[in-house]
Amino acid sequence: KQEVTQIPAALSVPEGENLVLNCSFTDSAIYNLQWFRQDPGKGLTSLLLIQSSQREQTSGRLNASLDKSSGRSTLYIAASQPGDSATYLCAVTGGTASKLTFGTGTRLQVTL
Amino acid sequence: EPEVTQTPSHQVTQMGQEVILRCVPISNHLYFYWYRQILGQKVEFLVSFYNNEISEKSEIFDDQFSVERPDGSNFTLKIRSTKLEDSAMYFCASTTERRAYEKLFFGSGTQLSVL
Repeated sequence: KQEVTQIPAALSVPEGENLVLNCSFTDSAIYNLQWFRQDPGKGLTSLLLIQSSQREQTSGRLNASLDKSSGRSTLYIAASQPGDSATYLCAVTGGTASKLTFGTGTRLQVTL
Repeated sequence: EPEVTQTPSHQVTQMGQEVILRCVPISNHLYFYWYRQILGQKVEFLVSFYNNEISEKSEIFDDQFSVERPDGSNFTLKIRSTKLEDSAMYFCASTTERRAYEKLFFGSGTQLSVL
């Protein structure tokens, strides 16, 4: 059974700092990996999707990497801003591509 | 940008009552999902739906749960007899095709409170 873990559970950084969020998964037979953002009381917004054959994806200040063989992904946020404050979720899709298995999330706070 | 719409945003019900959560997926999407998140816990998969039938369901999705696409636009989740432990945020999601490069689009959720 796939298990997804995210470290740290919470992170507080000053504005402007670069930061890395970590995600690990137990079964490397994944179809893809997605990073989501969740704001309090809101839905999930897909930030980046990395296919199993890819190593990384970039969107603006965000860069996600994938090392499938070691079961790890990182989300790098450059020059953090207070508006980046949210919970970041990592999720993997298994071989059937039918469902996502989510991690526990990292709650990020960017302070002024 | 097109979005997945869920109604209501909040639903309060008494234990044992039936509830129907509604979703309008993005119009050209073909695959539909329900997920839920109990407060403080992970987002969990409930069910996936394609071509008017369930393609996969989790062990959470027991006989008390059902899904339906009654017309060309709505996708509903029914809980027949709610329990206290059904209290959670329920998310609907959709995607065009089940391919490795396709993102899943989520609605803003329905917060269900069972009293």
